[in-house]
Amino acid sequence: GENVEQHPSTLSVQEGDSAVIKCTYSDSASNYFPWYKQELGKGPQLIIDIRSNVGEKKDQRIAVTLNKTAKHFSLHITETQPEDSAVYFCAALFPGGYQKVTFGTGTKLQVIP
Amino acid sequence: DAGVTQSPTHLIKTRGQQVTLRCSPKSGHDTVSWYQQALGQGPQFIFQYYEEEERQRGNFPDRFSGHQFPNYSSELNVNALLLGDSALYLCASSPRGSETQYFGPGTRLLVL
Repeated sequence: GENVEQHPSTLSVQEGDSAVIKCTYSDSASNYFPWYKQELGKGPQLIIDIRSNVGEKKDQRIAVTLNKTAKHFSLHITETQPEDSAVYFCAALFPGGYQKVTFGTGTKLQVIP
Repeated sequence: DAGVTQSPTHLIKTRGQQVTLRCSPKSGHDTVSWYQQALGQGPQFIFQYYEEEERQRGNFPDRFSGHQFPNYSSELNVNALLLGDSALYLCASSPRGSETQYFGPGTRLLVL
């Protein structure tokens, strides 16, 4: 079935350090992997996405890597800042599913000043 | 350019009642998806509307229904509310042919 596992569930880092969140997916045919940031009381905000024909994508302090063979993808945040504190969700688009994406269980990131 | 908007922001209902939630997609977007997010969990797909038709549905009972209007806005209806329907209901819109979804702020529903 369609499944996305996400680790860790909580993550605390010192300001300026890096944070890494990892996800695995169940269907090797999945081809689109977005990451969302959700702040308290708000809807998820798309921060970066990657498609299966690309191994890595960067946008300023944020990067995502994809390993299709191992069926896992990771979010890397460098030089973390207190405003990076939020819940982060990975997601995957499963084949035959139009734009239906399946979300991971979320990682609560706390950046300690 | 306004993003995805949803109304109302908060809603309190009692068991057995019916509720209607509304969503306006981003300008230029024609596809609307609805998600339910329980506290501490990731969003769960309810269904998706495109060209006023339900195109795909997640694992939700028939008590959950929807509609899309010619202007691409959408409604989510939930009948016979249960306590377990208490959640944040999220709407996401996409432009035609794109997988990228943009979420609204959600409607917080509390069923007492």
